[in-house]
This record gives sequence, structure tokens and C-alpha cells, in this order.
Amino acid sequence: AQKITQTQPGMFVQEKEAVTLDCTYDTSDQSYGLFWYKQPSSGEMIFLIYQGSYDEQNATEGRYSLNFQKARKSANLVISASQLGDSAMYFCAMREGRRAGSYQLTFGKGTKLSVIP
Amino acid sequence: DTAVSQTPKYLVTQMGNDKSIKCEQNLGHDTMYWYKQDSKKFLKIMFSYNNKELIINETVPNRFSPKSPDKAHLNLHINSLELGDSAVYFCASSQEPAGGPTFFGPGTRLTVL
Repeated sequence: AQKITQTQPGMFVQEKEAVTLDCTYDTSDQSYGLFWYKQPSSGEMIFLIYQGSYDEQNATEGRYSLNFQKARKSANLVISASQLGDSAMYFCAMREGRRAGSYQLTFGKGTKLSVIP
Repeated sequence: DTAVSQTPKYLVTQMGNDKSIKCEQNLGHDTMYWYKQDSKKFLKIMFSYNNKELIINETVPNRFSPKSPDKAHLNLHINSLELGDSAVYFCASSQEPAGGPTFFGPGTRLTVL
């Protein structure tokens, strides 16, 4: 079974509009972390935002916010005021593990976001 | 002041050759990883090292051998390259167990002809 599910292979958004990228996860651990990464066409993996499973507040970083709904096991990324430079692949990832060095990231298949002028 | 660097960025080679990818991080992290991104953009862990000790070794052919000479470096050596090894290989690092993000290097695009 997939641990991270991103159901939107591709999304379009008008410039300056907000967009939500969906992510659901599956884990039996109580302690875990959720991440979003951006991969532009140049190929690098850029860290955007992190949410810990015990964090009560939704994480925010500038125009990015993570809508964390623990009971639903969802961790959606919200990008406000989209810009052309936001066009990229976006990956949701989960970190589990109990031993140092075992905190690997499990990735979803990604969502390709295209921002339309 | 690059946080995680890896070389080379591109690697084109013939089947059967042996090649290495080098990775260095200057973040002071104690855990480093190799991830592989396939042609469908799917990312998967290959190895992790914590303080030079191999922790995670996923189902990877033993032609792939990681080596960590110190906490700041993690290299990947691949023997007898095959067509199916063509992918982007990312080095990454994180500080554990304090948490915080995993930072990735720029990736090495390996093409096996």
C-alpha cells in the first residue's frame, strides 16, 4: 500500500490565485514528519515546508502553508498568490523511523503544477 | 556556501563501466542519504549513513556501494553499469534525531548508453 498518495498528477492555476495540492499519508507511528518539496525543471529538490505530527498549529512559510488534518491523515500544501516561478513538480514526503539514520523520506508520485499568466 | 554538493552533475557512460558520484555537506549533519529518481520522477531511498555507519540499505543491487569516509562525505560507487541504472541520483543530509528538514544536493543525472 502506498504510504504517500498524491492524487493530482497535474494542476493548473491562474497567476495570483491560490492553489491546494493534495497529499494523504498512511502510518501507524505516532511520531512522524511531513514535508513538501519543489522540483523545478532545473531538477534540484527544494525544501518548502515541514509539519511534525505533534505540531498543533499548521506550518506556514511565506506563501506556503500546510493544511494538516491528522484525523484524516492529510497534509495538503496551499500556495497563495501563485507566481509563474511556482510552475514545478511538487512532492509530498513523510519521515518515519525510530533510530538515528533510519529517518528516511517516503515520497508521493508528485503533482506537476503549471501557473498560467 | 552550498549546503549539499555533489559531483558530477551529469555523467554519461557506457554499459559495463564503473563510475563514482561524490557528495559533501557543510551543514554539520550526522546523517546522509542516497536517493534515486527514476524516469517517472519517483524518488526512493537507497542508502543512509549515520556517523559513517550504514543504517539503511534498501533493495539495491550490490553493484552499488556507498562509502562514507567521514560525517561530511558520502560517495556512491557503481560497478558494471547497466542501462537500467540511468536515473538521477540525489545525495541528501539531515540532523537526527533533532528533526528538521532533509536537504538535497543538486542531483547527478546518470545516463548509461
